[in-house]
Amino acid sequence: DAGVTQSPTHLIKTRGQQVTLRCSPKSGHDTVSWYQQALGQGPQFIFQYYEEEERQRGNFPDRFSGHQFPNYSSELNVNALLLGDSALYLCASSLGGVGGIETQYFGPGTRLLVL
Amino acid sequence: KNEVEQSPQNLTAQEGEFITINCSYSVGISALHWLQQHPGGGIVSLFMLSSGKKKHGRLIATINIQEKHSSLHITASHPRDSAVYICAVSANRDDKIIFGKGTRLHILP
Repeated sequence: DAGVTQSPTHLIKTRGQQVTLRCSPKSGHDTVSWYQQALGQGPQFIFQYYEEEERQRGNFPDRFSGHQFPNYSSELNVNALLLGDSALYLCASSLGGVGGIETQYFGPGTRLLVL
Repeated sequence: KNEVEQSPQNLTAQEGEFITINCSYSVGISALHWLQQHPGGGIVSLFMLSSGKKKHGRLIATINIQEKHSSLHITASHPRDSAVYICAVSANRDDKIIFGKGTRLHILP
Protein backbone atom coordinates (compact mmCIF):
# COMPACT_ATOMS: atom_id res chain seq x y z
CA ASP A 1 0.00 0.00 0.00
CA ALA A 2 1.75 3.13 -1.21
CA GLY A 3 1.66 6.10 1.09
CA VAL A 4 1.59 9.69 -0.07
CA THR A 5 4.04 10.30 -2.90
CA GLN A 6 5.30 13.61 -4.21
CA SER A 7 7.29 14.60 -7.26
CA PRO A 8 9.81 15.87 -7.91
CA THR A 9 11.84 15.48 -4.72
CA HIS A 10 13.99 18.52 -5.46
CA LEU A 11 13.64 21.39 -7.89
CA ILE A 12 15.63 24.49 -8.74
CA LYS A 13 13.97 27.42 -10.49
CA THR A 14 14.78 31.07 -11.11
CA ARG A 15 12.78 34.12 -10.13
CA GLY A 16 9.77 34.75 -12.35
CA GLN A 17 9.43 31.16 -13.49
CA GLN A 18 6.46 28.93 -12.88
CA VAL A 19 6.52 25.56 -11.13
CA THR A 20 4.16 22.59 -10.80
CA LEU A 21 4.43 20.13 -7.94
CA ARG A 22 2.57 16.84 -7.87
CA CYS A 23 1.05 14.70 -5.15
CA SER A 24 -0.55 11.26 -5.16
CA PRO A 25 -2.59 10.57 -2.03
CA LYS A 26 -2.49 7.44 0.06
CA SER A 27 -4.61 4.68 -1.43
CA GLY A 28 -8.25 5.20 -0.45
CA HIS A 29 -7.84 8.87 0.43
CA ASP A 30 -9.76 11.55 -1.44
CA THR A 31 -8.61 14.78 0.20
CA VAL A 32 -5.30 16.54 -0.38
CA SER A 33 -3.83 19.41 1.61
CA TRP A 34 -0.74 21.41 0.71
CA TYR A 35 1.68 23.08 3.13
CA GLN A 36 4.72 25.30 2.71
CA GLN A 37 7.58 24.91 5.20
CA ALA A 38 10.38 27.45 5.03
CA LEU A 39 13.74 26.49 6.50
CA GLY A 40 13.63 26.54 10.29
CA GLN A 41 9.90 27.24 10.35
CA GLY A 42 6.80 25.22 10.95
CA PRO A 43 4.53 24.32 8.02
CA GLN A 44 1.96 26.82 6.81
CA PHE A 45 -1.33 25.69 5.31
CA ILE A 46 -1.76 26.66 1.65
CA PHE A 47 -5.03 25.00 0.64
CA GLN A 48 -7.05 21.82 0.67
CA TYR A 49 -8.75 20.01 -2.20
CA TYR A 50 -11.73 17.70 -1.90
CA GLU A 51 -14.04 16.53 -4.69
CA GLU A 52 -11.87 18.41 -7.16
CA GLU A 53 -12.58 21.75 -5.50
CA GLU A 54 -10.58 24.04 -3.26
CA ARG A 55 -12.35 23.86 0.09
CA GLN A 56 -10.09 25.87 2.39
CA ARG A 57 -7.28 28.30 1.78
CA GLY A 58 -4.58 29.80 3.94
CA ASN A 59 -3.02 33.25 3.61
CA PHE A 60 -1.26 32.73 0.31
CA PRO A 61 -1.48 34.97 -2.76
CA ASP A 62 -3.24 34.01 -5.98
CA ARG A 63 0.13 33.04 -7.44
CA PHE A 64 -0.44 29.79 -5.59
CA SER A 65 -3.08 27.69 -7.28
CA GLY A 66 -3.96 24.06 -7.38
CA HIS A 67 -5.95 21.35 -8.98
CA GLN A 68 -7.32 17.97 -8.02
CA PHE A 69 -7.91 15.28 -10.61
CA PRO A 70 -10.67 12.64 -10.68
CA ASN A 71 -8.17 10.07 -9.39
CA TYR A 72 -7.68 12.36 -6.33
CA SER A 73 -4.09 13.27 -7.21
CA SER A 74 -3.28 16.94 -6.97
CA GLU A 75 -1.00 19.62 -8.35
CA LEU A 76 0.29 22.78 -6.75
CA ASN A 77 1.21 25.56 -9.17
CA VAL A 78 3.20 28.62 -8.25
CA ASN A 79 3.54 31.46 -10.78
CA ALA A 80 6.02 34.31 -10.88
CA LEU A 81 8.34 32.66 -8.39
CA LEU A 82 9.99 34.79 -5.73
CA LEU A 83 13.10 34.01 -3.73
CA GLY A 84 10.87 33.71 -0.67
CA ASP A 85 9.03 30.80 -2.26
CA SER A 86 12.05 28.60 -1.56
CA ALA A 87 10.77 26.00 0.88
CA LEU A 88 9.76 22.41 1.43
CA TYR A 89 6.29 21.84 0.01
CA LEU A 90 4.40 19.12 1.83
CA CYS A 91 1.33 17.29 0.64
CA ALA A 92 -0.96 15.46 3.05
CA SER A 93 -3.88 13.21 2.27
CA SER A 94 -6.93 12.25 4.28
CA LEU A 95 -10.41 10.87 3.79
CA GLY A 96 -13.75 12.52 3.40
CA GLY A 97 -12.70 16.15 3.56
CA VAL A 98 -13.14 16.20 7.33
CA GLY A 99 -10.94 15.81 10.32
CA GLY A 100 -7.87 17.73 11.38
CA ILE A 101 -4.19 17.24 10.98
CA GLU A 102 -4.31 14.13 13.14
CA THR A 103 -6.05 12.31 10.30
CA GLN A 104 -3.59 13.41 7.61
CA TYR A 105 -0.80 11.33 6.12
CA PHE A 106 2.12 13.42 4.95
CA GLY A 107 4.36 12.88 1.97
CA PRO A 108 8.12 13.41 2.03
CA GLY A 109 7.83 16.82 0.40
CA THR A 110 9.32 18.62 -2.59
CA ARG A 111 12.21 20.92 -1.82
CA LEU A 112 12.05 24.00 -4.06
CA LEU A 113 14.94 26.39 -4.40
CA VAL A 114 14.36 29.68 -6.21
CA LEU A 115 17.50 31.46 -7.39
CA LYS B 1 4.68 37.61 18.19
CA ASN B 2 3.88 34.15 16.87
CA GLU B 3 0.56 32.70 17.97
CA VAL B 4 2.25 29.38 18.75
CA GLU B 5 5.63 29.49 20.49
CA GLN B 6 7.83 26.50 21.21
CA SER B 7 10.83 26.16 23.46
CA PRO B 8 13.57 25.28 23.25
CA GLN B 9 14.33 25.73 19.55
CA ASN B 10 17.13 23.19 19.72
CA LEU B 11 17.85 20.52 22.29
CA THR B 12 20.73 18.06 22.52
CA ALA B 13 20.65 15.40 25.22
CA GLN B 14 22.26 12.10 26.11
CA GLU B 15 20.49 8.81 25.56
CA GLY B 16 18.30 7.97 28.53
CA GLU B 17 17.57 11.54 29.57
CA PHE B 18 14.06 12.80 30.26
CA ILE B 19 13.09 15.34 27.61
CA THR B 20 10.56 18.17 27.87
CA ILE B 21 9.45 20.38 24.99
CA ASN B 22 7.10 23.26 25.69
CA CYS B 23 4.40 24.95 23.63
CA SER B 24 2.49 28.13 24.44
CA TYR B 25 -0.30 29.58 22.34
CA SER B 26 -2.28 32.81 22.38
CA VAL B 27 -5.47 31.93 20.49
CA GLY B 28 -8.60 30.03 21.39
CA ILE B 29 -8.26 26.46 20.27
CA SER B 30 -10.37 23.38 19.78
CA ALA B 31 -7.37 21.05 19.86
CA LEU B 32 -3.59 20.98 20.12
CA HIS B 33 -1.41 18.61 18.16
CA TRP B 34 2.09 17.31 18.63
CA LEU B 35 3.80 16.20 15.42
CA GLN B 36 7.12 14.53 14.68
CA GLN B 37 9.10 15.37 11.56
CA HIS B 38 12.05 13.24 10.56
CA PRO B 39 14.75 14.32 8.10
CA GLY B 40 13.30 13.97 4.62
CA GLY B 41 10.15 15.85 5.53
CA GLY B 42 7.59 13.24 6.51
CA ILE B 43 5.36 14.36 9.37
CA VAL B 44 3.60 12.01 11.77
CA SER B 45 0.89 12.97 14.22
CA LEU B 46 1.81 11.93 17.76
CA PHE B 47 -1.02 13.35 19.86
CA MET B 48 -4.18 15.38 19.61
CA LEU B 49 -5.22 16.96 22.89
CA SER B 50 -8.10 19.07 24.02
CA SER B 51 -7.61 18.56 27.75
CA GLY B 52 -5.59 16.65 30.31
CA LYS B 53 -2.90 14.19 29.44
CA LYS B 54 -2.19 11.43 26.95
CA LYS B 55 0.47 8.74 26.97
CA HIS B 56 1.76 6.57 24.17
CA GLY B 57 4.75 4.40 24.94
CA ARG B 58 7.56 6.65 26.14
CA LEU B 59 5.76 9.80 25.02
CA ILE B 60 3.52 11.86 27.29
CA ALA B 61 1.64 15.00 26.28
CA THR B 62 -0.12 17.36 28.66
CA ILE B 63 -2.18 20.46 28.14
CA ASN B 64 -3.35 23.22 30.49
CA ILE B 65 -6.17 25.05 28.76
CA GLN B 66 -6.31 27.87 31.34
CA GLU B 67 -2.58 28.53 31.00
CA LYS B 68 -2.63 27.98 27.20
CA HIS B 69 0.36 25.71 27.53
CA SER B 70 1.27 22.18 26.54
CA SER B 71 4.30 19.99 27.12
CA LEU B 72 5.63 16.94 25.33
CA HIS B 73 7.77 14.62 27.43
CA ILE B 74 9.96 11.77 26.27
CA THR B 75 11.10 9.29 28.90
CA ALA B 76 14.26 7.17 28.48
CA SER B 77 15.17 9.05 25.31
CA HIS B 78 16.85 7.17 22.47
CA PRO B 79 18.81 8.31 19.40
CA ARG B 80 15.88 7.26 17.20
CA ASP B 81 13.83 9.99 18.94
CA SER B 82 16.02 12.55 17.15
CA ALA B 83 13.65 14.61 15.01
CA VAL B 84 11.87 17.94 14.87
CA TYR B 85 8.84 18.10 17.16
CA ILE B 86 6.15 20.52 16.08
CA CYS B 87 3.29 21.89 18.13
CA ALA B 88 0.19 22.91 16.16
CA VAL B 89 -3.21 24.22 17.22
CA SER B 90 -6.63 24.14 15.60
CA ALA B 91 -7.81 27.73 16.02
CA ASN B 92 -11.42 28.28 17.05
CA ARG B 93 -11.79 31.46 14.99
CA ASP B 94 -11.46 29.80 11.57
CA ASP B 95 -10.68 26.15 12.26
CA LYS B 96 -7.29 26.59 10.57
CA ILE B 97 -4.11 24.96 11.80
CA ILE B 98 -1.36 27.21 13.22
CA PHE B 99 2.05 25.60 13.54
CA GLY B 100 4.93 26.38 15.84
CA LYS B 101 8.44 26.59 14.43
CA GLY B 102 9.40 23.24 15.86
CA THR B 103 12.00 22.00 18.32
CA ARG B 104 14.99 20.18 16.87
CA LEU B 105 15.89 17.31 19.20
CA HIS B 106 19.17 15.43 18.95
CA ILE B 107 19.75 12.47 21.25
CA LEU B 108 23.38 11.38 21.50
CA PRO B 109 24.19 7.68 21.99
